[in-house]
Amino acid sequence: DGGITQSPKYLFRKEGQNVTLSCEQNLNHDAMYWYRQDPGQGLRLIYYSQIVNDFQKGDIAEGYSVSREKKESFPLTVTSAQKNPTAFYLCASSRTSGGPYNEQFFGPGTRLTVL
Amino acid sequence: AQSVTQLGSHVSVSEGALVLLRCNYSSSVPPYLFWYVQYPNQGLQLLLKYTSAATLVKGINGFEAEFKKSETSFHLTKPSAHMSDAAEYFCAVRLTGANSKLTFGKGITLSVRP
Repeated sequence: DGGITQSPKYLFRKEGQNVTLSCEQNLNHDAMYWYRQDPGQGLRLIYYSQIVNDFQKGDIAEGYSVSREKKESFPLTVTSAQKNPTAFYLCASSRTSGGPYNEQFFGPGTRLTVL
Repeated sequence: AQSVTQLGSHVSVSEGALVLLRCNYSSSVPPYLFWYVQYPNQGLQLLLKYTSAATLVKGINGFEAEFKKSETSFHLTKPSAHMSDAAEYFCAVRLTGANSKLTFGKGITLSVRP
């Protein structure tokens, strides 16, 4: 079955540590996204990539980094510079061809907790 | 800047009652509109999307939404709520001509009382 996988499902981090969240898709989508979700704040875009080896900052990129070396993979690193990283992180992907009706498909999410 | 407003953060209905979740967008250009549902500790799932083919859009699980340009609204409805509809619902928009980014509302939590 095609879809998006995120790992791990739960992640605990000590303050001052960098952690990397994995996102893999087998939908053959060109675009991939990372969102952060906090209670009552909806989804906020961290980074997105529309093609391999290229990515753009979203609305809340500070303290995060990404890479896009393969079409299928878009890992997110939460660095120690992110002051309040405890949140639910969602990865998504979409086609870029076919116009603006393309919806985004979401993974199951990773819940990150800073101890 | 394009934005969406979802009025209220929580809606509670009785099982079998009408569900109405509101979404308004701010734009002078008809955007591309989406409704997503999120069950606890899961990702988002597309309920329906507006593609300008028809103003009344039918989605999965018995939900539908009506695009009203004069009111800049895209409210989500379901005639009869089921216990399994309890979840969080997000409205999202994409500006015409924009890249693939979506802007999401803050979400509405739907509770269904037995």
